[in-house]
Amino acid sequence: SQQGEEDPQALSIQEGENATMNCSYKTSINNLQWYRQNSGRGLVHLILIRSNEREKHSGRLRVTLDTSKKSSSLLITASRAADTASYFCATDSNSGNTPLVFGKGTRLSVIA
Amino acid sequence: ETGVTQSPTHLIKTRGQQVTLRCSSQSGHNTVSWYQQALGQGPQFIFQYYREEENGRGNFPPRFSGLQFPNYSSELNVNALELDDSALYLCASSWGLANSYNEQFFGPGTRLTVL
Repeated sequence: SQQGEEDPQALSIQEGENATMNCSYKTSINNLQWYRQNSGRGLVHLILIRSNEREKHSGRLRVTLDTSKKSSSLLITASRAADTASYFCATDSNSGNTPLVFGKGTRLSVIA
Repeated sequence: ETGVTQSPTHLIKTRGQQVTLRCSSQSGHNTVSWYQQALGQGPQFIFQYYREEENGRGNFPPRFSGLQFPNYSSELNVNALELDDSALYLCASSWGLANSYNEQFFGPGTRLTVL
C-alpha cells in the first residue's frame, strides 16, 4: 500500500540552485525518512525526522514535517551535479503487513 | 558505501525458472529486509528476517521465499518466474526490525531480467 507520494516526479535545476521535493502521506506516522538512490543502485539514508519534530538539518539538507498537513519537504541547498539522483520518502505503512513504505520518488537532475 | 553486499549483480532467467539472490548484511545487524523495485517505482517491501525467522511479509505470493543464516546473511528465492518479476531486488540490513524508527542500509541490488 502506497503511503508516501513524492512531488514533483521529476525536477531539473542548474548547479547552485536549491531543490525542493515534497512527500505527502495519508495516515498518521511515527517517523519519516528520506533516502537517495543513484541510478540503478542501492538507496542511501539521508535523514530521519520524528513526528514530534518540525524541522531537521544535515549539511545542505533541510527537512520539514507538517503532521497537520501530512506532508514533508526535503530542501537541498546550493545543489551540485553529484546531487543528481532519485529521492524517496519512507514512512510507516497503513497496512499491518508492511513495516515501511516508500513513495515513487522524485528524479532530480542537476545540470552543471 | 554501506557494508551490505549482494550477488549476483545481474541475472537473466526465463519464465518458469527459479532464482536465488544473496545478501550479506552489515556487520552487527540482525535484520535483513528484501525489496522489489520496478523501473520508475519506489522499493516495495517483500519480507524481512529477524534472527533467522520471517517477521513480516508484504503483498507477495508464496513463490517468493527467503532464508536468514546464523551469520545474518540472507537469500531470496523466487520460484516459477514470471515476466513481471523483472526488477531490481534490493536487500537492506538494520539493527532491529525494519520500520520508520530504524535506518536501513541498502546493498547495491541485483538486476533480474525474466525473458
